[in-house]
Amino acid sequence: GQNIDQPTEMTATEGAIVQINCTYQTSGFNGLFWYQQHAGEAPTFLSYNVLDGLEEKGRFSSFLSRSKGYSYLLLKELQMKDSASYLCAVASGTYKYIFGTGTRLKVLA
Amino acid sequence: GAGVSQSPRYKVAKRGQDVALRCDPISGHVSLFWYQQALGQGPEFLTYFQNEAQLDKSGLPSDRFFAERPEGSVSTLKIQRTQQEDSAVYLCASSRGTSGGAGYEQYFGPGTRLTVT
Repeated sequence: GQNIDQPTEMTATEGAIVQINCTYQTSGFNGLFWYQQHAGEAPTFLSYNVLDGLEEKGRFSSFLSRSKGYSYLLLKELQMKDSASYLCAVASGTYKYIFGTGTRLKVLA
Repeated sequence: GAGVSQSPRYKVAKRGQDVALRCDPISGHVSLFWYQQALGQGPEFLTYFQNEAQLDKSGLPSDRFFAERPEGSVSTLKIQRTQQEDSAVYLCASSRGTSGGAGYEQYFGPGTRLTVT
């Protein structure tokens, strides 16, 4: 079967660093995406990894290990506006994307 | 700089009614996806279009669901004889990639929240 696991909820303090983990088991792999989704809004793209290693983009970084079926999203210098759901998604085939259930992040002042 | 738009934003239907949900993708985007998102869940793939061709409809839950993109731009998702379990947010996304979007980010619309009573 195809499965993506990520924690349901996380809480962190403004200014801190948080790491959101994602493990996956899919029949194919054409890359892993992270999306941010604020309540009641559309998901917006954060990062894409297809090769092993770390991709850094401002306050956000994403890491991928294909051999371990593992990725994480690292958020630095947390701000209140970072409170949202973070979705891990795998392009498991040419057209099909498998999304995780999302991790709801609460940033506390 | 228009993004992906969807209409209506909210739809209430009585059980048994037919509904049509519209998606206007970003101009020039080849790939178009439909997803169903239940409360507290991630989006679930429904179907994929490359231009006007529907290349994958494996995620459509039943034959009551039908999607089309006749001219390769606007798409419509139609649900016939709606049931309560169809209540969800229906998201449309487009991508400029031609190979099914793999490697290209998807741009999502705001979604249509369907409530079946």
